[in-house]
Amino acid sequence: QSALTQPASVSGSPGQSITISCTGTSRDVGSYNLVSWYHQLPDKAPKLLIYEVSERPSGISNRFSGSKSGNTASLTISGLQAEDEGDYYCCSFAGSGTYVFGTGTRVTAL
Amino acid sequence: QVQLVQSGAEVMKPGASVKISCKASGYTFSSYYVHWVRQAPGQGLEWMGVIHPNGIGTFYAQKFQGRVTLTRDTSSTTVYMELSSLESEDTAIYSCTRETPRTSYFEHWGQGTLVTVSS
Repeated sequence: QSALTQPASVSGSPGQSITISCTGTSRDVGSYNLVSWYHQLPDKAPKLLIYEVSERPSGISNRFSGSKSGNTASLTISGLQAEDEGDYYCCSFAGSGTYVFGTGTRVTAL
Repeated sequence: QVQLVQSGAEVMKPGASVKISCKASGYTFSSYYVHWVRQAPGQGLEWMGVIHPNGIGTFYAQKFQGRVTLTRDTSSTTVYMELSSLESEDTAIYSCTRETPRTSYFEHWGQGTLVTVSS
């Protein structure tokens, strides 16, 4: 159960779109449409952004979208805003009742 | 409203065990799974395990098998996480989080409990 691989950092100018990748294996991301994404600010609990690859909970801006291809899931933030800065984590069901998180990506609005 | 309230910070010696509580309120306790996630200082999130409060069972990350035990007390709507054979690398914030069964996402989180392992 190795952590899913995410880029350490992604940056963009306000208003731009950025995409964060989350690469797993055929035993986790590739086998289940059960990928979720979280945004974490310093000393705060993670906040759910996306579940089941591409579904948004109520109250989450449609600037956040998710997708998956093979063993890689992606989170796209459109119209990047300063408030979007922070750490982003993907998470996937990995079978047998277990889960695995991604390594995390620090997003910076330049 | 849904609340998960965890016990306070702990300072432990290497080799000891720590037991953290997570008291749930604002929902039907037996209807939701409770997971535990930890985050070492400056590091990422790490899934540890899940307990099904209706008694179906527990599942643990391979890394923690044999060292972590999740239990629950339905009378007090509390879930417990015990981690044994502590090492300095176990210094982290430990958080409980709730999953609606078979949805595989975490929407409500406890406030986190800092466990410091130091001789």
